[in-house]
Order: sequence, then structure tokens, then C-alpha cells
Amino acid sequence: NAGVTQTPKFRVLKTGQSMTLLCAQDMNHEYMYWYRQDPGMGLRLIHYSVGEGTTAKGEVPDGYNVSRLKKQNFLLGLESAAPSQTSVYFCASKHRVPTEAFFGQGTRLTVV
Amino acid sequence: KQEVTQIPAALSVPEGENLVLNCSFTDSAIYNLQWFRQDPGKGLTSLLLIQSSQREQTSGRLNASLDKSSGRSTLYIAASQPGDSATYLCAARPQGGSEKLVFGKGTKLTVNP
Repeated sequence: NAGVTQTPKFRVLKTGQSMTLLCAQDMNHEYMYWYRQDPGMGLRLIHYSVGEGTTAKGEVPDGYNVSRLKKQNFLLGLESAAPSQTSVYFCASKHRVPTEAFFGQGTRLTVV
Repeated sequence: KQEVTQIPAALSVPEGENLVLNCSFTDSAIYNLQWFRQDPGKGLTSLLLIQSSQREQTSGRLNASLDKSSGRSTLYIAASQPGDSATYLCAARPQGGSEKLVFGKGTKLTVNP
């Protein structure tokens, strides 16, 4: 039972480079989320999706894009990475009904 | 706008002590509240979920309570062990059509042998 899987686990980017983070869940969850976690700031919501083909902005969406072409996958893209995007990124998923959310193990991204 | 606060930010206790972690939220209109544990460099592990209609949930040595009227939830850990050392986060799911979880900044717990 994989749950929520994030790829990659670590990445170092140069300023201006692009990359895509992949989140995959095998629990048939409708909702998926991308958060970033920074020291002293807690977890902040970047984007989320309430179903296949839908996305919505969270608290800190600037500089990121997302896509949910398949129900089980939620992609987070950085088109032109900036040092301010150095963070740990977490993906989460849950069912539509008010049940618990499950998190991936995180992606540690450093932009130099 | 829902805001979630966890106090204290850090707590250090001797092994065997019973302890309480606090979580407060500004808007009582929530669907549920969830407690998580996060070990250093790891993801979040769900501990307990309390629906808005519930008063408490228990799992092993953990007991979480919810008082919507006062905007508070507590996580009680009985007979603490060094393995309980981690950061504990609470998250509220607001009502009103929002699908988001609003997180507190966590309480870092250290249980000393």
C-alpha cells in the first residue's frame, strides 16, 4: 500500500531552471493538495484540486503551476525557479467526504 | 479567515509524564480537526481525526478532544516515551465550501529518557 508517493525526494536547481514535481496516490482520492513547509512559517497551501481536470489557487500560488490530467496524479511545476522557492514540498490527498488527509514524504528542493 | 495556533512551540518533558498539547482556532465553523505527527525530515503521519459532531477520539495512548464553542482542541499523550519525540501539528478544515486544511505551526515535543 503505497499511499501518497512524491517524486523526486531531493533536487537542487539553479536559478531560472524549471522542474516538475510529481505526486501520485493510489487511494482513489478526489482531492489533492500541494503545500510548502518553511521554518517558522508552517505549512502553506500552494494549489489544490477537487477532481480530475480541476485546479485552484491556495495561499501562495505565485511562481507555481499545477495540472491534474489523471485522478491519481497531481503535478507541481516551477517554470523559472527562484531561491525563495527553496523549501520542502508536500503533497496530500483525501476523499471528498470529511475524512483524514494523507501526506507524502516530501520533496526537499534547493534553488541556488 | 481561519487561523490555527499551537502553543507552546516547543516542549521538553521527562519520560513517563502525561502531557497535553494545545491547538486553538479562530472560527468554530469547522468540518473536522486532524492531528498529525512529523518526524525530522519526514512527512506528516495522521494520528487522529475528530469530526465536528464528536467530542473526542482515542488511539492507544493518544486522546484528542474538541471544543468547537471555545475554539480549542487538545492532544493528550499518556505515559510519554522517547519515541514520542516529534513535531505535532493540528489542522482544521473550515466549513463554507472550503476544501483546504488550515495548519498550526506545530509543537516540537522532546521526551527525555
